[in-house]
Amino acid sequence: GEDVEQSLFLSVREGDSSVINCTYTDSSSTYLYWYKQEPGAGLQLLTYIFSNMDMKQDQRLTVLLNKKDKHLSLRIADTQTGDSAIYFCAAANRDDKIIFGKGTRLHILP
Amino acid sequence: DVKVTQSSRYLVKRTGEKVFLECVQDMDHENMFWYRQDPGLGLRLIYFSYDVKMKEKGDIPEGYSVSREKKERFSLILESASTNQTSMYLCASSSSGGDVGYEQYFGPGTRLTVT
Repeated sequence: GEDVEQSLFLSVREGDSSVINCTYTDSSSTYLYWYKQEPGAGLQLLTYIFSNMDMKQDQRLTVLLNKKDKHLSLRIADTQTGDSAIYFCAAANRDDKIIFGKGTRLHILP
Repeated sequence: DVKVTQSSRYLVKRTGEKVFLECVQDMDHENMFWYRQDPGLGLRLIYFSYDVKMKEKGDIPEGYSVSREKKERFSLILESASTNQTSMYLCASSSSGGDVGYEQYFGPGTRLTVT
């Protein structure tokens, strides 16, 4: 079945760009998502990309999709302390099921 | 605004107790999900439901059951709580398809401690 992999931890200095990477295995995945989970809260959809796109930009967020390599990335420009959270990559497979990665904890250094 | 609410933010129960976790969504979503979240393991799907009275096992259903008598409400039941069920439990709902496919909306989570 579908597997979604991402690194567990990323540390970035405030003001720098953060890049969180994700790989998935099912090439038929239709939608790919980035969710954000702040401490003590549930997950919230941050952004998404449809599989026929290769890039999506939304203010400080840029999503890049390389379908050939099944690689998804989330770039956060000008990282702020409020961006400190766990970021989950997720892929919707052909059975309408969303498969989540384990989450990347983004730590902001002052 | 979609709202998914869970009955408790924090819960402490004793080993062997029967535990009910309730989840309610107000967007008339067909699909509802229960996950547990543990450090280093991410989200693991316990059960999901795609319609009233329908349920499907997720990846880790053992020790849990669910109930969906009404469209807006999905309950997770721990028949006899054990210490290894200490975890954060997240409920989610989604419609089928739409502009963002199957975006799931999450509740705030219930942190359950079994002593």
